[in-house]
Amino acid sequence: KQEVTQIPAALSVPEGENLVLNCSFTDSAIYNLQWFRQDPGKGLTSLLLIQSSQREQTSGRLNASLDKSSGRSTLYIAASQPGDSATYLCAVQMGETSGSRLTFGEGTQLTVNP
Amino acid sequence: KAGVTQTPRYLIKTRGQQVTLSCSPISGHRSVSWYQQTPGQGLQFLFEYFSETQRNKGNFPGRFSGRQFSNSRSEMNVSTLELGDSALYLCASSKYPGRLGETQYFGPGTRLLVL
Repeated sequence: KQEVTQIPAALSVPEGENLVLNCSFTDSAIYNLQWFRQDPGKGLTSLLLIQSSQREQTSGRLNASLDKSSGRSTLYIAASQPGDSATYLCAVQMGETSGSRLTFGEGTQLTVNP
Repeated sequence: KAGVTQTPRYLIKTRGQQVTLSCSPISGHRSVSWYQQTPGQGLQFLFEYFSETQRNKGNFPGRFSGRQFSNSRSEMNVSTLELGDSALYLCASSKYPGRLGETQYFGPGTRLLVL
């Protein structure tokens, strides 16, 4: 059974700092890994998706990497801003037979202080 | 292009009642998945529909059911509500299920409170 763990559970940083969020998964036979952002009481916003054959994806100040063999992904946020404060979730999708089913980590709650 | 929409956004029900939630996927998306989010259990997969057929089901009791219509809109139903069913219910859509590189997009959720 796939299990996804995110470390740390919470992180507080001053504005402008670069930071790394970690995600690990137990079964390396994943299809896709997706990073999401969730603001309090809201839905999930997709940030980046990495296919199993890819090593990294970038979007603006965000960079996500994937090391499938070791079961790890990191989300790097450059020059953090107060507007980045949210909970960040990683989710993995297994092979075709699992359909769209995502297995989520518990999330990292990020606070960026002005 | 409009995103995933969910109605209603908030619901208050009492134990024993039943509830129906609705999800309209992004235009052109045919796969809809449902998730329950609670502080204690996090995000848990309920079920997935594609072409009006349930393709996958999570580990939830039979009180939780769903369906999908020919226009890809989906509904989920919870019968005989329990206090523990209080949660944020999220739906996600994608063009096809289980495809490499297929991004899933989530709606804003329906907040259900069972009293």
